[in-house]
Amino acid sequence: GAVVSQHPSWVICKSGTSVKIECRSLDFQATTMFWYRQFPKQSLMLMATSNEGSKATYEQGVEKDKFLINHASLTLSTLTVTSAHPEDSSFYICSARDRGDPSYEQYFGPGTRLTVT
Amino acid sequence: QQQVKQSPQSLIVQKGGISIINCAYENTAFDYFPWYQQFPGKGPALLIAIRPDVSEKKEGRFTISFNKSAKQFSLHIMDSQPGDSATYFCAASMETGANNLFFGTGTRLTVIP
Repeated sequence: GAVVSQHPSWVICKSGTSVKIECRSLDFQATTMFWYRQFPKQSLMLMATSNEGSKATYEQGVEKDKFLINHASLTLSTLTVTSAHPEDSSFYICSARDRGDPSYEQYFGPGTRLTVT
Repeated sequence: QQQVKQSPQSLIVQKGGISIINCAYENTAFDYFPWYQQFPGKGPALLIAIRPDVSEKKEGRFTISFNKSAKQFSLHIMDSQPGDSATYFCAASMETGANNLFFGTGTRLTVIP
């Protein structure tokens, strides 16, 4: 149980285009989903927290107009990188908290490798 | 400011040996301390977690030791195996607020046969 999927697993896009990454909780309802960014050999950095039906909360230094987050349902959150540039190339990972789980545990997706050329 | 400090950055251990990774935190409001294992190109997976009301938790070959007064916690991997070679992250969270996880900087573990 508690499986989180991401799609796509990797994507290459041209500079200036937008790319959408999906995060789904497959066997539970997620009240809260988190989006992280990870550069090679570095730690996970929280970008934003999204709650179903409300606006995402962005961490300091994360451009909300560039990284659009939509948590449209209890099982789906999307991250859209708008007008992507090479410096946006990174590993993007989502996680989700189970609505029915009183613990603090976050279940992580497998990540999406974004390369902007 | 790094909320959770982790060391060492990298670790090489002989097969069968004990791997020890240490973490320290400052915020006494933290009350949940998980450890994650991450293989290259994959998302992190929860290994084991502890709350501050206990000083030790063991699950199989993995043990967390927690020292509340020193604000430190560590992961011990007993009988380390080549398959344990991965990057390990400690993290901390608090019950109030958004329950955000604050990650350590990671430890790259290599277990040599």
